[in-house]
Amino acid sequence: AQSVTQLDSHVSVSEGTPVLLRCNYSSSYSPSLFWYVQHPNKGLQLLLKYTSAATLVKGINGFEAEFKKSETSFHLTKPSAHMSDAAEYFCVVSFFFNTDKLIFGTGTRLQVFP
Amino acid sequence: GAVVSQHPSRVICKSGTSVKIECRSLDFQATTMFWYRQFPKQSLMLMATSNEGSKATYEQGVEKDKFLINHASLTLSTLTVTSAHPEDSSFYICSARDRNRNLSQYFGPGTRLLVL
Repeated sequence: AQSVTQLDSHVSVSEGTPVLLRCNYSSSYSPSLFWYVQHPNKGLQLLLKYTSAATLVKGINGFEAEFKKSETSFHLTKPSAHMSDAAEYFCVVSFFFNTDKLIFGTGTRLQVFP
Repeated sequence: GAVVSQHPSRVICKSGTSVKIECRSLDFQATTMFWYRQFPKQSLMLMATSNEGSKATYEQGVEKDKFLINHASLTLSTLTVTSAHPEDSSFYICSARDRNRNLSQYFGPGTRLLVL
């Protein structure tokens, strides 16, 4: 079965320090992987996506993620956190044979302290 | 960018009544829209896929007679929760796929439903 696991339900960082949100996936097929961010009272916004091109993917707002097939991971990073980054982050996977169906991780709440 | 709206943003209803939630793509045409449900502190679960002009495809375990979906135009899909009960209280989110951009789903802000 296809699944995605976000290893941390809650991450707290200080403003200006690096951010690491971890995600592992399980799949027998080539996945497409996404990171979405959910701010309160706003729709989910796509940060970045991996679709079998470059393994290091750059997204919006300074975020990037690296696809590591050997580790089945797709961790999200940012060199320097900003207060506005505080939100819920979802790692999402879909598969080439059913690109419509997005499978969401349980989410990681990022808290940024001044 | 692509914008998806939902109406209402929150609704409170009595048990046994029906509630309709609208999902609109504002600046693009969406042949496919998706309905998700999100319980508190949990992830989004796909309920159904809505294709314009045809019947919706429901995920396993989702009652099609309970959650009626209509996708009558390229910019509007509706979800009606029929005979709502307190256990239907949840956050309902729709997304729309831009017919001109593969794999890109754009999400609405969600509708908070509370059934008393």
